[in-house]
Amino acid sequence: SQTIHQWPATLVQPVGSPLSLECTVEGTSNPNLYWYRQAAGRGLQLLFYSVGIGQISSEVPQNLSASRPQDRQFILSSKKLLLSDSGFYLCAWSVLVATQYFGPGTRLTVL
Amino acid sequence: AQSVTQLGSHVSVSEGALVLLRCNYSSSVPPYLFWYVQYPNQGLQLLLKYTSAATLVKGINGFEAEFKKSETSFHLTKPSAHMSDAAEYFCAVSAERGATNKLIFGTGTLLAVQP
Repeated sequence: SQTIHQWPATLVQPVGSPLSLECTVEGTSNPNLYWYRQAAGRGLQLLFYSVGIGQISSEVPQNLSASRPQDRQFILSSKKLLLSDSGFYLCAWSVLVATQYFGPGTRLTVL
Repeated sequence: AQSVTQLGSHVSVSEGALVLLRCNYSSSVPPYLFWYVQYPNQGLQLLLKYTSAATLVKGINGFEAEFKKSETSFHLTKPSAHMSDAAEYFCAVSAERGATNKLIFGTGTLLAVQP
């Protein structure tokens, strides 16, 4: 069966520091991968998606970037965090019929 | 363009009462529709999905939803609420047919269950 991992689970970072969040999927090949953000009291905002290694599409201009160095690995990064980057970050994968499956999330607090 | 509207950002029901969470969609192509549930500080869990088969879809935890094309609706129901159903629920529609499998999510409905 397929599983998706995200780490770290929680992170507290100062403004201006770098960020690296990692997502890995097991049990499937060539999945589509997605990064979402949930700000407090708001819905899901799609940040990036990837249909293959090295293929990244950005949905909104922002302070973040994404990379996919391996088939089942998706990384969300920032060189300098802003207060507005705080939120709950979710990774998801899909292979068929649009169904997306979500990871457990990373709670990021920027102080 | 595809979109989803969830009516009611907060819904409160008594334990044992009917749960009805509303979702209306707009789609330029025959849609795929989804309901997800999110418990505090957790990821989203798929409850059920409609992918052009039976219009009445049964999901986990006793939930079901009915696709009504004439009303562009996909409301989520459960006959009898349990305390454990308290969570946030998201309706989603497929953004397009193609390789990206992107979804458009509603803004969510927070369900409270009163004892």
